[in-house]
Amino acid sequence: SQQGEEDPQALSIQEGENATMNCSYKTSINNLQWYRQNSGRGLVHLILIRSNEREKHSGRLRVTLDTSKKSSSLLITASRAADTASYFCAPSGGYQKVTFGIGTKLQVIP
Amino acid sequence: EAQVTQNPRYLITVTGKKLTVTCSQNMNHEYMSWYRQDPGLGLRQIYYSMNVEVTDKGDVPEGYKVSRKEKRNFPLILESPSPNQTSLYFCASRTGASYEQYFGPGTRLTVT
Repeated sequence: SQQGEEDPQALSIQEGENATMNCSYKTSINNLQWYRQNSGRGLVHLILIRSNEREKHSGRLRVTLDTSKKSSSLLITASRAADTASYFCAPSGGYQKVTFGIGTKLQVIP
Repeated sequence: EAQVTQNPRYLITVTGKKLTVTCSQNMNHEYMSWYRQDPGLGLRQIYYSMNVEVTDKGDVPEGYKVSRKEKRNFPLILESPSPNQTSLYFCASRTGASYEQYFGPGTRLTVT
């Protein structure tokens, strides 16, 4: 199965700052998704970017995808304390097996 | 409200005592999956199902069984639990037309 590796593993920023986290993967993909997990809770889907897209926006989220480098980034602008969570990428080749990485733990300090 | 429910949410059991964790979704989704989440290892897929009576192994299926007799339900069965199955378990579902998964609230299982 396809697995993403998020980087950094932990990130601490002040409220109002931007947060950037990265995802790398190894094989070709059909799409890549980003999810958020609040402590101990189920993952929540944030955004999906297809392999033929380079950038996508959703509210304060901006996702980029570079298929030549097999990498993606998630940017959260003007962060809020409520953005404190773990963020996971899920690259998908279109098959059913999906593996998430260990995520990036983001702490936004008020 | 569209949701995935899991029961129980917390369970402490002993080695070898069979248990079932239920998962149910009310969105008429074709695909359902089970994951376990462990510190330092991320979420790993245990089993998935593409529709009723169609299931397949994920990355870590050993020690687990599943069944999909109805579209809405996808129970996870541990026939003889062992301490290395202590983990946080998530059920998820999605439609056939979308990759977006909807996750349940999780079941924290401790096997002593």
